[in-house]
Amino acid sequence: GIQVEQSPPDLILQEGANSTLRCNFSDSVNNLQWFHQNPWGQLINLFYIPSGTKQNGRLSATTVATERYSLLYISSSQTTDSGVYFCAVIGLYNFNKFYFGSGTKLNVKP
Amino acid sequence: EPEVTQTPSHQVTQMGQEVILRCVPISNHLYFYWYRQILGQKVEFLVSFYNNEISEKSEIFDDQFSVERPDGSNFTLKIRSTKLEDSAMYFCATKWSGDTEAFFGQGTRLTVV
Repeated sequence: GIQVEQSPPDLILQEGANSTLRCNFSDSVNNLQWFHQNPWGQLINLFYIPSGTKQNGRLSATTVATERYSLLYISSSQTTDSGVYFCAVIGLYNFNKFYFGSGTKLNVKP
Repeated sequence: EPEVTQTPSHQVTQMGQEVILRCVPISNHLYFYWYRQILGQKVEFLVSFYNNEISEKSEIFDDQFSVERPDGSNFTLKIRSTKLEDSAMYFCATKWSGDTEAFFGQGTRLTVV
């Protein structure tokens, strides 16, 4: 299967700070998604980004598929950004499952 | 935005009982998945379903588990005889085709006591 590694595993920020979360994957993919898991355990879709760059408010993401990594940028962080951020990929030749990373646990302090 | 709906949101069950978790996929989606997440751990793949049959299943998905689309719309996960270690958050996901965005439901928290 595809190995998905996320870094850092834990991140503590002061409100207002910026951060970059990284996702490395071990094989070619045709789907990459970023999720935010809120305190209630729900997985919130952030980005569908198999390649290129997207922005949504204070969040943006970039995937460089040829180099097998994706970055999630959070600017001007807020306490509501706290939670776990997951990267998940689907391989180029097998549509049957996502491979999830272990997540980055973000704690934004007021 | 389109939505995948899961019911119930939380279920508590006695060990050994059967549970059925339900998912209403987005209407034109063709690929369906179940994942689970034990508290504090990674999200794990259970099973994928396409064209009314299982496409792939993980080692976790043993004979105690089954999936079906009984009425062509709802997608269900049945656990026949629950164990304590089945306590987890279960997520349904659906997508239209192999290389499109997947949408996850809000999850069902299953607690086996």
